[in-house]
Amino acid sequence: KAGVTQTPRYLIKTRGQQVTLSCSPISGHRSVSWYQQTPGQGLQFLFEYFSETQRNKGNFPGRFSGRQFSNSRSEMNVSTLELGDSALYLCASSLGWVDYGYTFGSGTRLTVV
Amino acid sequence: GQQVMQIPQYQHVQEGEDFTTYCNSSTTLSNIQWYKQRPGGHPVFLIQLVKSGEVKKQKRLTFQFGEAKKNSSLHITATQTTDVGTYFCGNTDKLIFGTGTRLQVFP
Repeated sequence: KAGVTQTPRYLIKTRGQQVTLSCSPISGHRSVSWYQQTPGQGLQFLFEYFSETQRNKGNFPGRFSGRQFSNSRSEMNVSTLELGDSALYLCASSLGWVDYGYTFGSGTRLTVV
Repeated sequence: GQQVMQIPQYQHVQEGEDFTTYCNSSTTLSNIQWYKQRPGGHPVFLIQLVKSGEVKKQKRLTFQFGEAKKNSSLHITATQTTDVGTYFCGNTDKLIFGTGTRLQVFP
């Protein structure tokens, strides 16, 4: 079966701009989580959506937002980009219950200049 | 707040040597999951532990969950160059991951 698909793979944006990243989960997976990964910081949790509802949220500013559609696809938006937002953004999907592992996408590498 | 710390941050070993990474939480965890991320890749799910004191094996990898469910370890016996990568522990209940241990194996 197809894995988790993230688009685009690479993105270069200018400070102050906004960006939208997309994630298509594995068919049947209802939970989509987003993470920011930077060197030395590990995986920082952004938010999780389950059945179109935000179920959990990490400690990121309001510039970071997301949503999930009825087909479980999810988008993440970052407004007013800052240099520090440069990172690999990973989305992970799961069936939605705590006892299942996450399947990660290949990520979107965002560079803010 | 909830934190999961991993040690060591980096580990360089000679091929054939053993390797262990430790994951420590400030609070009790309902489960621990382990992931491996190859250089340039994305995290891949390895295993989940849910019971106190649980031990699971996958070939040369041994995973253990502490009795108090606050810590976990991943032990690799006789490392190979294919083991290179960053190993993360995580908890899906709290949706947090450890800082990761980067393993480098020299042939």
